[in-house]
Amino acid sequence: GNSVTQMEGPVTLSEEAFLTINCTYTATGYPSLFWYVQYPGEGLQLLLKATKADDKGSNKGFEATYRKETTSFHLEKGSVQVSDSAVYFCALSRESGGYNKLIFGAGTRLAVHP
Amino acid sequence: NAGVTQTPKFRVLKTGQSMTLLCAQDMNHEYMYWYRQDPGMGLRLIHYSVGEGTTAKGEVPDGYNVSRLKKQNFLLGLESAAPSQTSVYFCASSYSQGRTNVLTFGAGSRLTVL
Repeated sequence: GNSVTQMEGPVTLSEEAFLTINCTYTATGYPSLFWYVQYPGEGLQLLLKATKADDKGSNKGFEATYRKETTSFHLEKGSVQVSDSAVYFCALSRESGGYNKLIFGAGTRLAVHP
Repeated sequence: NAGVTQTPKFRVLKTGQSMTLLCAQDMNHEYMYWYRQDPGMGLRLIHYSVGEGTTAKGEVPDGYNVSRLKKQNFLLGLESAAPSQTSVYFCASSYSQGRTNVLTFGAGSRLTVL
């Protein structure tokens, strides 16, 4: 079946460190891939997305490349800030029964310290 | 813009009690969703609606009912609450339903069932 696996957290970094959060997926066909972010006390919001192989999504200094050969969509940022502290969810969208179902990973909590 | 608003934000119930969570969106979105978020499990879809007057089951519908009497509102009901329904509930809405579809989430409702 379709699934998303994320690296377990929490991930703790110092400000300006390099960030990688791993995400791999299992799906038939060609899903769309997303990263959503949940800041403390808020709902999830879209961070970036990619809709086909080799696409790179980017936003707010974050990037992720859709790698079909490794079924991965790892999230990276070159220099994190304290304000990036949040929970990050990788997700895929696949058609199922006439509905485009969004399947989420378990989430990875990131804590950035000054 | 208010976006997606959920009420209440917090609620404590005793086993067997009933309650309703209200979700309201002001973006004229056609599609609305209810998810639950549990530690280590990401978000799971409970029910969804593809338009006013319609509802459909998601991954984990048992123990919940929903109604979409008005386009802007999507209600989630628990008729007889159980401790297993302790969770954070998120409502979301979207304009379209394609595979590149992006959801707008509310801030969540934390429910504890004793």
